[in-house]
Amino acid sequence: EVQLLESGGGLVQPGRSLRLSCAASGFPFGDYHVDWVRQAPGKGLEWVSGISDSSNSVGYADSVKGRFIISRDNSKNSLFLQMNSLRPEDTAVYYCTKGKRTDWGAFDHWGQGILVTVSS
Amino acid sequence: DIQMTQSPSTLSASVGDRVTITCRASQSISSWLAWYQQKPGKAPKVLIYHASTLESGVPSRFSGSASGTEFTLIISSLQPDDFATYYCQQYSDYPWTFGQGTEVEI
Repeated sequence: EVQLLESGGGLVQPGRSLRLSCAASGFPFGDYHVDWVRQAPGKGLEWVSGISDSSNSVGYADSVKGRFIISRDNSKNSLFLQMNSLRPEDTAVYYCTKGKRTDWGAFDHWGQGILVTVSS
Repeated sequence: DIQMTQSPSTLSASVGDRVTITCRASQSISSWLAWYQQKPGKAPKVLIYHASTLESGVPSRFSGSASGTEFTLIISSLQPDDFATYYCQQYSDYPWTFGQGTEVEI
């Protein structure tokens, strides 16, 4: 069974940093593209960042480019999101997602989500 | 960036109704489009990918189609479990983008 378990969320002051982690299991993690998607309270879904299976291709939403860094450790079946210079508008539930094998931008598994609150 | 314009934002329907949700891309995305269903407090669930391929385990009352840059999700006969919010998402080019969502309500 595929499982994606996010950790590292919480309350942080504006301008500070936070690192999210996602522990993956139940599938060959190193063979799949993985992404972060977020959802602000009461709002729609926003794609944040994605990384290819071998880390040679990464992408970012314009809203986080230059502030967030995505990375992965295939030896530990883990995905990370380093979030710097956090803003109140970054407050959201952050989901770790797994892409399909052939349509790696279509997310067939999602974590339960973790809340990040940016507030003074 | 590719913009995804989804309509309507809210849809009132009854059990048994045929429901149509539309998503328009601001430029060509070929068939690189997925549809998701989300219920309150839950993570989204993929219904359709590659514009018209039904995800394993998803009921056959859900279908997707494409015509140029316009994409459609159809629920052929709405069931009580289908009241939720639906999102389209393009994955043709970074940054990948979602539509604004369509809430299907009674």
